Amino acid sequence: NAGVIQTPRHKVTGKGQEATLWCEPISGHSAVFWYRQTIVQGLEFLTYFRNQAPIDDSGMPKERFSAQMPNQSHSTLKIQSTQPQDSAVYLCASSLGQTSQNTLYFGAGTRLSVL
Amino acid sequence: EQQVQQSPASLVLQEAENAELQCSFSIFTNQVQWFYQRPGGRLVSLLYNPSGTKQSGRLTSTTVIKERRSSLHISSSQITDSGTYLCAMERSNYNVLYFGSGTKLTVEP
Repeated sequence: NAGVIQTPRHKVTGKGQEATLWCEPISGHSAVFWYRQTIVQGLEFLTYFRNQAPIDDSGMPKERFSAQMPNQSHSTLKIQSTQPQDSAVYLCASSLGQTSQNTLYFGAGTRLSVL
Repeated sequence: EQQVQQSPASLVLQEAENAELQCSFSIFTNQVQWFYQRPGGRLVSLLYNPSGTKQSGRLTSTTVIKERRSSLHISSSQITDSGTYLCAMERSNYNVLYFGSGTKLTVEP
């Protein structure tokens, strides 16, 4: 079991370009979460899917960020017109079910650098 | 408002000393977890402790829900314990974990 897989590990974009980040959750896990980690803000919740359905996207900057989970084996986070303040490590995590009852497994993250 | 506060922000110990990390919450929660992150590494779940005291090896967590706080005690620290320890809480029935900013622990020989 390779755990949660995130690709790419590093991505560099120019200001205004689009960035798509990929996440492959652990097989059999029904809940998938996206977080963003920076030194200043720490870990910020972005969005969450359960059984591929979007449940809560209250942490997503609405204008340029979108997330999808087209099938149970992967989720994507897309950032349009990237800005320098979007630079961060984007983390994907999965769990069997509700976080209160199941361990949350994190991927290694994608480090996004917007120049 | 930061929902999860952690202290201290950083801590330096000599090997074999004990560490006490604190976490407090701005709202009531009945789900508390502690995580660990090595520099450049993945976040790893350490303990799930909604209330009372839970132990795992050299780690002991005590959560007092009515006081909205949790602590993590690391006994006989080792150099390999160095890293960042994060506390997380789940808002009731929300199924989403909210994290504190972490305590960076450095254990020196």
